[in-house]
Amino acid sequence: QKEVEQNSGPLSVPEGAIASLNCTYSDRVSQSFFWYRQYSGKSPELIMSIYSNGDKEDGRFTAQLNKASQYVSLLIRDSQPSDSATYLCAVNGASNDYKLSFGAGTTVTVRA
Amino acid sequence: SAVISQKPSRDICQRGTSLTIQCQVDSQVTMMFWYRQQPGQSLTLIATANQGSEATYESGFVIDKFPISRPNLTFSTLTVSNMSPEDSSIYLCSVEDPGDSLSQNTEAFFGQGTRLTVV
Repeated sequence: QKEVEQNSGPLSVPEGAIASLNCTYSDRVSQSFFWYRQYSGKSPELIMSIYSNGDKEDGRFTAQLNKASQYVSLLIRDSQPSDSATYLCAVNGASNDYKLSFGAGTTVTVRA
Repeated sequence: SAVISQKPSRDICQRGTSLTIQCQVDSQVTMMFWYRQQPGQSLTLIATANQGSEATYESGFVIDKFPISRPNLTFSTLTVSNMSPEDSSIYLCSVEDPGDSLSQNTEAFFGQGTRLTVV
């Protein structure tokens, strides 16, 4: 499987701050990139998908993709205690390869 | 997005026995996958469940240990056979949902997971 690496956690941020999560991937032909949020004891929940270079914003979440650098990030603005979870970066490959490779995850704790 | 029902949600099993996990989707989907998430770790793909043919297994996973059925486009099962404590894990069913039929981009969604403990 393709290698996906995330910045090591845990990441602790105060309420209202920006949480920044980073992810790099090894397969240069990767086409699709995803961020999942996983609360303890729950299954992963898709929060962002990004397919083109640049930024994609959805509410308080912004995903950034740089295919040349093989890098994708997630910013969480105005962090809330409900954002406390593990965030998983996932990557799939060429257009006919739908299998996802996941990073190890970064655990975020938002301090009230 | 597709609604995925997975059961059982959890089970405690004796070593040497087998458990079959079911995954039901509320719409027809082409791609269904089975993942494992061991305690404190990320997700690892076990296999792709193919409708009408044998599943495609990833390196380190074999059909004898993890037989998979995919009788139609809305249902799949994963069996964990001859279980040992090392099989204690969360098993997750996933489907690819194209959302927009005109888009080549698909997104993957997960069932609630099955938390398996082998004693």
